[in-house]
Amino acid sequence: GAVVSQHPSWVICKSGTSVKIECRSLDFQATTMFWYRQFPKQSLMLMATSNEGSKATYEQGVEKDKFLINHASLTLSTLTVTSAHPEDSSFYICSAPVRTGALSPLHFGNGTRLTVT
Amino acid sequence: SQQGEEDPQALSIQEGENATMNCSYKTSINNLQWYRQNSGRGLVHLILIRSNEREKHSGRLRVTLDTSKKSSSLLITASRAADTASYFCATPPPNAGGTSYGKLTFGQGTILTVHP
Repeated sequence: GAVVSQHPSWVICKSGTSVKIECRSLDFQATTMFWYRQFPKQSLMLMATSNEGSKATYEQGVEKDKFLINHASLTLSTLTVTSAHPEDSSFYICSAPVRTGALSPLHFGNGTRLTVT
Repeated sequence: SQQGEEDPQALSIQEGENATMNCSYKTSINNLQWYRQNSGRGLVHLILIRSNEREKHSGRLRVTLDTSKKSSSLLITASRAADTASYFCATPPPNAGGTSYGKLTFGQGTILTVHP
């Protein structure tokens, strides 16, 4: 089945530094990937839609300069949290639809636990 | 705002019992999906039900959809300790299609604990 690989699974960084999270589709091409953020015991909040070869689309309230998204190939999207602060600590999850169309389910990476000290 | 609201927020049962989780949504949809999340992991797609379907089965899972009430339920029969996880319903935006395919809004989730 379709596999989405996310790396790293966890990262601890100091306040003010930047962190890059990678999301790869291993056995399918993903022209679109989605980045979600999840706080403990809460639901997933869509941050942005990553589009291969074009700019990402950010949801309302998400700072595009803070969360840089690059989708340079059909199998890789990256999310960079710039100048991270403790309030950016969260669980970040990427996902990709396996096929086009409104009925496509999403395949998720295993998430990245970011802790900013 | 969250499209899906689920209840209960938490459910604790014994192995062998059935677990029922409910989801309500606000706008029109062409499908509704259920996902499972083990603690600290990504989500796994369980089942998709189309708006013209009323019930769908997959193994021990049964999903119902009532578009008139804008609600869905997920039933897990003969639960096992391994079913312990959070369960989320998810819906696409109204008139989903084109560039919005795959863009889902998730409910608050139900935390299911199955005791052995």
